[in-house]
Amino acid sequence: ETGVTQSPTHLIKTRGQQVTLRCSSQSGHNTVSWYQQALGQGPQFIFQYYREEENGRGNFPPRFSGLQFPNYSSELNVNALELDDSALYLCASSGPGSDRGAGYTFGSGTRLTVV
Amino acid sequence: RKEVEQDPGPFNVPEGATVAFNCTYSNSASQSFFWYRQDCRKEPKLLMSVYSSGNEDGRFTAQLNRASQYISLLIRDSKLSDSATYLCVGDAYDYKLSFGAGTTVTVRA
Repeated sequence: ETGVTQSPTHLIKTRGQQVTLRCSSQSGHNTVSWYQQALGQGPQFIFQYYREEENGRGNFPPRFSGLQFPNYSSELNVNALELDDSALYLCASSGPGSDRGAGYTFGSGTRLTVV
Repeated sequence: RKEVEQDPGPFNVPEGATVAFNCTYSNSASQSFFWYRQDCRKEPKLLMSVYSSGNEDGRFTAQLNRASQYISLLIRDSKLSDSATYLCVGDAYDYKLSFGAGTTVTVRA
């Protein structure tokens, strides 16, 4: 059983650019959530995808968007990057029957630096 | 106000010591609670769920007080490998987990 994999692991972008981060969910998991973790802070919920549709969204602007594919993998897209977007972006998958917050599997994250 | 507030620490303790810290939550709709552990620059990993009756997992004891909206974690007989950031997490069954900013624990030899 494979875990959650994210790519790339590190990324440096210039302010104003666009970025796409990718996540492959754990086998058997059909729900993917994305979190942003700034330095010294806890992860903040961006949005969740289930069956290829956005299932819930946190307090992030529309320039943060996502996709989920039929194989349950997911992308996070951020347009018009700002310096404050510099953070660790975490993908978490969960599956049917998962025990709520105990059933999330996190990927190792993508560290995005905006300069 | 953040949904989950934690004492950031750091807690610097010798091996073998007991260390305890807590968090408070403001969302009364929160149903379930967890402690996650995060090592430096790594992903969070579930440490344990927290039950109202209190629960233990080896050297770790978690308590939940719903009336005071307060959660605690106690680590007995600290090991060097317990050095990490501990994240308090609430789940209000609204698609997201609400994380605190974390409490940093450093266990020294």
